[in-house]
Amino acid sequence: NAGVTQTPKFQVLKTGQSMTLQCAQDMNHNSMYWYRQDPGMGLRLIYYSASEGTTDKGEVPNGYNVSRLNKREFSLRLESAAPSQTSVYFCASSERGGTGQYFGPGTRLTVT
Amino acid sequence: AQSVTQLGSHVSVSEGALVLLRCNYSSSVPPYLFWYVQYPNQGLQLLLKYTTGATLVKGINGFEAEFKKSETSFHLTKPSAHMSDAAEYFCAVSVRTSYDKVIFGPGTSLSVIP
Repeated sequence: NAGVTQTPKFQVLKTGQSMTLQCAQDMNHNSMYWYRQDPGMGLRLIYYSASEGTTDKGEVPNGYNVSRLNKREFSLRLESAAPSQTSVYFCASSERGGTGQYFGPGTRLTVT
Repeated sequence: AQSVTQLGSHVSVSEGALVLLRCNYSSSVPPYLFWYVQYPNQGLQLLLKYTTGATLVKGINGFEAEFKKSETSFHLTKPSAHMSDAAEYFCAVSVRTSYDKVIFGPGTSLSVIP
């Protein structure tokens, strides 16, 4: 039982390049989330998916797109990376109803 | 709208001393409340949660928290700090909807002094 997995662990991009962050969970959770974590800013929600086939914007969605590929997988895409997107990105999943979220190990992204 | 405040961005305690990390929340509906811990270069891990029922909840690693509705607080405590408790701690409040949207506080960094 791997929980929540994320790939890659580290990535360096040049401004304007694109990439997709992958996330998968094996806990049969309905809800999945993408956060970014920046020093002094805590965690900020980028997008979430309440169930397979649905996605919604969070607090900071600009510059990102997501795909809920199936119940297990939720990907985050940066179409044209900017230095302001340098951050640590976390994927999380949860059951409905306040059971708490389970987090992946994170992807450390640097945009130069 | 929901929000979370954590008093003190950095807290230092001596090994063996009481740990007290403060969290206050605002919510227009009955909340779910959580504490998460993050060790360096790792993701967040759920320490404990309050949903309904008993207001004193126990979590992993000897931590506990008490939900006080009148004070809108959910402070985290541990009677005796251990070196391994040094980490970042996040309080969070959840909206009681079907999708468990969570609002995180800014975090408190705990240092444990030998």
